[in-house]
Amino acid sequence: DAGVTQSPTHLIKTRGQQVTLRCSPKSGHDTVSWYQQALGQGPQFIFQYYEEEERQRGNFPDRFSGHQFPNYSSELNVNALLLGDSALYLCASSFGVRETQYFGPGTRLLVL
Amino acid sequence: QKEVEQNSGPLSVPEGAIASLNCTYSDRGSQSFFWYRQYSGKSPELIMSIYSNGDKEDGRFTAQLNKASQYVSLLIRDSQPSDSATYLCAVKNSGAGSYQLTFGKGTKLSVIP
Repeated sequence: DAGVTQSPTHLIKTRGQQVTLRCSPKSGHDTVSWYQQALGQGPQFIFQYYEEEERQRGNFPDRFSGHQFPNYSSELNVNALLLGDSALYLCASSFGVRETQYFGPGTRLLVL
Repeated sequence: QKEVEQNSGPLSVPEGAIASLNCTYSDRGSQSFFWYRQYSGKSPELIMSIYSNGDKEDGRFTAQLNKASQYVSLLIRDSQPSDSATYLCAVKNSGAGSYQLTFGKGTKLSVIP
């Protein structure tokens, strides 16, 4: 049973650049949520995608955008990177209205 | 602003003891609660979910929920050094069209051999 996968595992960018992170959900799951986790903090909800639509969004600026594909995989895009965007980016998948979310290994982004 | 509060720790317990981790939440309408374990440098791993008042047991783990007090706890019996990690409490926000989890900052547990 394939779990949630994310790529890349690590990424280094400079301020002002753009980045795309990718996520494939657990087999059988159709919903993908993205979280940002700064060092020493709990994960913060960015947004959730279901049926290729953004279903809910957290308190993140429009520089953060996403997409979900017909195969349920998802991308997180961040434009005009800031130093404060350095964090662990987590993708979590779930099935339909079920609430249990399972996390992937994360992508660690460093902005210099 | 819906909040989830946890003691940051570190909480140190000797091997074989019971570790007790606590969490309070502000969203009175919340119905779904989760505990995740996160090892250093890794992603959160689901331990348990709980939806009803009372206790729910799974192996060495027991989750306790008291909605009236807006309090969730996790007990780890016979603690092992491999239980040393940060434990995250997560609460699903209430309200129609709300799907997000709100996390606490986590409690760091250290089990001393």
